[in-house]
This record gives sequence, C-alpha cells and structure tokens, in this order.
Amino acid sequence: DAGVIQSPRHEVTEMGQEVTLRCKPISGHNSLFWYRQTMMRGLELLIYFNNNVPIDDSGMPEDRFSAKMPNASFSTLKIQPSEPRDSAVYFCASSAQRNQPQHFGDGTRLSIL
Amino acid sequence: AQRVTQPEKLLSVFKGAPVELKCNYSYSGSPELFWYVQYSRQRLQLLLRHISRESIKGFTADLNKGETSFHLKKPFAQEEDSAMYYCALRAHNNAGNMLTFGGGTRLMVKP
Repeated sequence: DAGVIQSPRHEVTEMGQEVTLRCKPISGHNSLFWYRQTMMRGLELLIYFNNNVPIDDSGMPEDRFSAKMPNASFSTLKIQPSEPRDSAVYFCASSAQRNQPQHFGDGTRLSIL
Repeated sequence: AQRVTQPEKLLSVFKGAPVELKCNYSYSGSPELFWYVQYSRQRLQLLLRHISRESIKGFTADLNKGETSFHLKKPFAQEEDSAMYYCALRAHNNAGNMLTFGGGTRLMVKP
C-alpha cells in the first residue's frame, strides 16, 4: 500500500497564478480531507469529502479556494488566483469507515512569491 | 461544538527526562481521542488512539473524562522523539470521521 499520494511535493509560483494540488487516497477509503498547515495557525481542516461528496467546506478560506473529488481515487484542491498568504503545507488525508484513523500524505509545500 | 486545546506550543526537555504533552478537550458527548506525530518535514502519523490502550514508542496516553484530558506521556525522552505532536478528537456521532485537531506542541529533546 503506497499510502496517500500527493503531488506535487513542492510548488513555487508567482502570485496571481492558478495552483492545483492533487491527492490520491488509499484505495478503499471513502473519506478524504484537505488540511492546511502554517506556523501561525497550525493544522486547519479546509474541506472533507465522504463518498466523493463534499460534506463540510466551512474551513475553505475564501472563494479563491475550490476542491473537487470526481471519483473515489482522485481529488484536487485549486487556488485561483494565488496570493502570498496562501503559502503553507497542504496535506491530504483519507480514512476508511468511521471508526478508522486518518492516514496523511506527505504534503505539498506551496510557496507563492 | 468540540474543541481541542494543547496549552504548550513548545516543550523542551533533556534526554532521559520524563515528558508530558498536555491535551484538553471540550465535547459534550463521548469522544474518541488520538495523538498524531509529525517528524521534521514528514507526514503526520498516527501515534496512538485511546481505544487501543497501547504503548507506542514508549508513549502512553490515558483518557480522563473527569478532567477532559488526554495527556501524552513518556518516562524517558529520547532525541528521536523530537517532533510536532497533535492531539485530535473525533466526535462520537461523526459519520464523516472528521477530526478536530489541537494547535500542536513541538517537543525538543536535547542531548
């Protein structure tokens, strides 16, 4: 089992550009979570999906952020347009049934210049 | 709504000293508590969960419902324990398996 796979591992881009982060959950997991980690705010839940359906997106900071899960094996988090304050490490996590723990990916380190 | 508080952002101890990372929670129902660890520039990993009542890497944590705490303890810290530790809570009625994380505590174990 390769675990949760995120790409890219690092992304450096200029402000105003569109950024797309990708996540492949563990096969068979039906819940997927996007988190943002910063020094100031720690680990924040942005959005999570259950069976490909967004359940709670209250953590999404603003309309510039959007997330999709077109199928059980793929999700994207998009920022358009990006701003320097979006610089952070973005983690994806997945879990199986409700009593199972979340498994995290390696994260994407995003730097917006 | 549930909340998890880790009062210490940074905890620094010497190798061999006992360690206690504090975690307090607020939740009206029956919670499930977890500790996750993140080593430098690595992914978060599940360290332990209260329902397992196990010891991982020498760490233990006991759920104290009276004090609403789930402190993480280790009798003798090692340098390789230096990492970021997150306490997390899952509400009993949470069908989506969502976790509420604390702000994290950075543990530094000095030689």
